[in-house]
Amino acid sequence: DAGVTQSPTHLIKTRGQHVTLRCSPISGHKSVSWYQQVLGQGPQFIFQYYEKEERGRGNFPDRFSARQFPNYSSELNVNALLLGDSALYLCASSLDGDGGYTFGSGTRLTVV
Amino acid sequence: AQSVAQPEDQVNVAEGNPLTVKCTYSVSGNPYLFWYVQYPNRGLQFLLKYITGDNLVKGSYGFEAEFNKSQTSFHLKKPSALVSDSALYFCAVRSLGNQGGKLIFGQGTELSVKP
Repeated sequence: DAGVTQSPTHLIKTRGQHVTLRCSPISGHKSVSWYQQVLGQGPQFIFQYYEKEERGRGNFPDRFSARQFPNYSSELNVNALLLGDSALYLCASSLDGDGGYTFGSGTRLTVV
Repeated sequence: AQSVAQPEDQVNVAEGNPLTVKCTYSVSGNPYLFWYVQYPNRGLQFLLKYITGDNLVKGSYGFEAEFNKSQTSFHLKKPSALVSDSALYFCAVRSLGNQGGKLIFGQGTELSVKP
């Protein structure tokens, strides 16, 4: 079985641009969560989706948005990129959103 | 507010010696606690979790963790460290409520095992 897959693995964008990150959960997992990990810090919660509904949102500006598709894959969108958005973006999937979490390898976003 | 603290930014251990990576937590209700490991330029790998039951939890790669409710701690331990254990370790607590089942992470502890 494939684990949690994220694409792309690396991305370089310019300030003010828009970016879309993608995540495919483990087969059978219905919940996807997104985390931002800035260098030298622990991951910070951005969003959780379960059965295509937003179940939780962290303390991030409205420039960050996400959605979950019928096949349970998910996209994280960030508008008007800032230098401070440079980070490793991690996706985690779980069966029901309340139990164990399996993380993908992440997308490294660099904003220049 | 629920939180996790990892008081040591770095832990240095000689290969073959026991290791401990410390974690304390603050939650309301019964805690669900996790340890993850992160190798350079990689995502997080699950090591172990405490939900309920025995205070000593055994996990992957020979790691174990001891849950201590009175001290609100969940320290990660291994009897004999390997050079390949060198990595960044994160303790996390699951927060439930109107924000779903999000994880709250500590700042991380860099473990360095020298030959």
